[in-house]
Amino acid sequence: QKEVEQNSGPLSVPEGAIASLNCTYSDRGSQSFFWYRQYSGKSPELIMFIYSNGDKEDGRFTAQLNKASQYVSLLIRDSQPSDSATYLCAVPSGANSKLTFGKGITLSVRP
Amino acid sequence: GAVVSQHPSRVICKSGTSVKIECRSLDFQATTMFWYRQFPKQSLMLMATSNEGSKATYEQGVEKDKFLINHASLTLSTLTVTSAHPEDSSFYICSAERGSTDTQYFGPGTRLTVL
Repeated sequence: QKEVEQNSGPLSVPEGAIASLNCTYSDRGSQSFFWYRQYSGKSPELIMFIYSNGDKEDGRFTAQLNKASQYVSLLIRDSQPSDSATYLCAVPSGANSKLTFGKGITLSVRP
Repeated sequence: GAVVSQHPSRVICKSGTSVKIECRSLDFQATTMFWYRQFPKQSLMLMATSNEGSKATYEQGVEKDKFLINHASLTLSTLTVTSAHPEDSSFYICSAERGSTDTQYFGPGTRLTVL
């Protein structure tokens, strides 16, 4: 059973701070990793994907991948109240491109 | 962009009726689409994988005769909840895979309420 774990949370940070969201995965052969954001009552929205070890930056978001340690993280710089949402880590599993999702980390950014 | 639409966004129906939900990829072709269900405060649950031109693959515990999936074109998949009951009330969300990238783009979801 391929697993994706997001054990920390809920997370509360003050506005302007860096929010760090972590995710570990069990399948050492995983090649691609996705971060989705889900606002309450809405569907998930893709915010980042990463395939290579290291960092990938997109605006205030940075995804970090360490395949040796089997973790992927998402950093949100200059956190805003509008970043308050649940963040889902996802890893493809098996055939048909199914994604295995973590349970999500709920982030709250305090004004 | 990669836009996925769903229709209707919200539906209320009586117990025993059937409800059809459409999922469309608007600006890309999707060989594979997925159907999820999410109950309040719970995680996404994959119901089935829909492949264009072939039968859907259902997850364990999902009744294929109750949740009928049709993926007749590269831009449209439909989910029909047959003989809906109050326990089927949930948030149904589809996603579409762009190319063969494993990247899924989600529709806005359909909130089903069965009275």
